[in-house]
Amino acid sequence: AQTVTQSQPEMSVQEAETVTLSCTYDTSESDYYLFWYKQPPSRQMILVIRQEAYKQQNATENRFSVNFQKAAKSFSLKISDSQLGDAAMYFCAYRRGIQGAQKLVFGQGTRLTINP
Amino acid sequence: NAGVTQTPKFQVLKTGQSMTLQCAQDMNHEYMSWYRQDPGMGLRLIHYSVGAGITDQGEVPNGYNVSRSTTEDFPLRLLSAAPSQTSVYFCASSRLAGHNEQFFGPGTRLTVL
Repeated sequence: AQTVTQSQPEMSVQEAETVTLSCTYDTSESDYYLFWYKQPPSRQMILVIRQEAYKQQNATENRFSVNFQKAAKSFSLKISDSQLGDAAMYFCAYRRGIQGAQKLVFGQGTRLTINP
Repeated sequence: NAGVTQTPKFQVLKTGQSMTLQCAQDMNHEYMSWYRQDPGMGLRLIHYSVGAGITDQGEVPNGYNVSRSTTEDFPLRLLSAAPSQTSVYFCASSRLAGHNEQFFGPGTRLTVL
């Protein structure tokens, strides 16, 4: 079974600085997707970024980027120029790459605080 | 286009009571699922469905029932609530093909006393 581990229960960063959230996963499959979700105090789950395992290039979405290390099974999220609105729980998630395999496996989450 | 909707937003039950959490989506998604979120454990899959009339168990199915009579609706039933079912429940939906990003509802906070 696949597992996802986020070893940092809490992180904090000064506004405008850069922060990196860690995620490792375990799988025997070669085709899969990895995601970072943001959950603000409103509780809504918001997709931040997605990475396909077959792509060597790291995904980027504006101030959010990932460092995908397939051999090390590591998938970290970097937030640049942190803003107060980035404060939230962040979840790393894994999904098999087989068409129709939609089940998401989540990590435990990291609570990110932004200090003004 | 309302996306994924869930009702109620909050609910308090007594041990042994039954209730149904409602989930509906208007995006014609084949796949729908229920997750529960507990502190320090992330989201865990309860049940899922790949189409009307088809359901299957996820990681933590005990104590929950589901059915899928239409593409739009995927209710989650607690037949006899227990304090261990105190949690936040999320419904999600997606297409089965293509990029198939999962869209989440706003969640239901359930407390069982």
